[in-house]
Amino acid sequence: EAGVAQSPRYKIIEKRQSVAFWCNPISGHATLYWYQQILGQGPKLLIQFQNNGVVDDSQLPKDRFSAERLKGVDSTLKIQPAKLEDSAVYLCASSPRTGDGSNYGYTFGSGTRLTVV
Amino acid sequence: GEDVEQSLFLSVREGDSSVINCTYTDSSSTYLYWYKQEPGAGLQLLTYIFSNMDMKQDQRLTVLLNKKDKHLSLRIADTQTGDSAIYFCAEIGGYKLSFGAGTTVTVRA
Repeated sequence: EAGVAQSPRYKIIEKRQSVAFWCNPISGHATLYWYQQILGQGPKLLIQFQNNGVVDDSQLPKDRFSAERLKGVDSTLKIQPAKLEDSAVYLCASSPRTGDGSNYGYTFGSGTRLTVV
Repeated sequence: GEDVEQSLFLSVREGDSSVINCTYTDSSSTYLYWYKQEPGAGLQLLTYIFSNMDMKQDQRLTVLLNKKDKHLSLRIADTQTGDSAIYFCAEIGGYKLSFGAGTTVTVRA
């Protein structure tokens, strides 16, 4: 099966600009996650969708970050305006259903590396 | 990652065994995972263990779980240069997958 697709792979922007990332999960996976991975740290959950509804966005900086999954399939994550500390890899993952911890639960995309200068 | 802790670096000679350790705090964790991340790549699931198990072996990988001490370890037998990567311990608490900061494993000839 095809994996989780993300684009772009790399993005360099100036601070205060806006940027958007796109994710297409594995077909049929109900749950989609966006993680932020800052260099030298483990991934941190930003937002979790179940179909097109938000399950958890408690760690999403809502003053500048937004995400949507309008049709319950692909998703976009936006940052506006970007800050220097937003430089990170943004990883998208999907799983068949929420809380599914079994071995087939989470599949990650290759990520988008964002550099804010 | 504050609920999952790992040592940051490990250097191992090719052919030796590597042991990566992890501690976690959520006693309700149902599954614990080891992920591998190579440079510029996403996270690859290596193996997992269910919380009612003590040990799981999968080819060169052995996972040990001490639930009382909330300690998880990953042993890689006959470590190869291709095993050089960052290894993340992760646990499911409720519905959220939480990661440690990662252990950078360097394999030297």
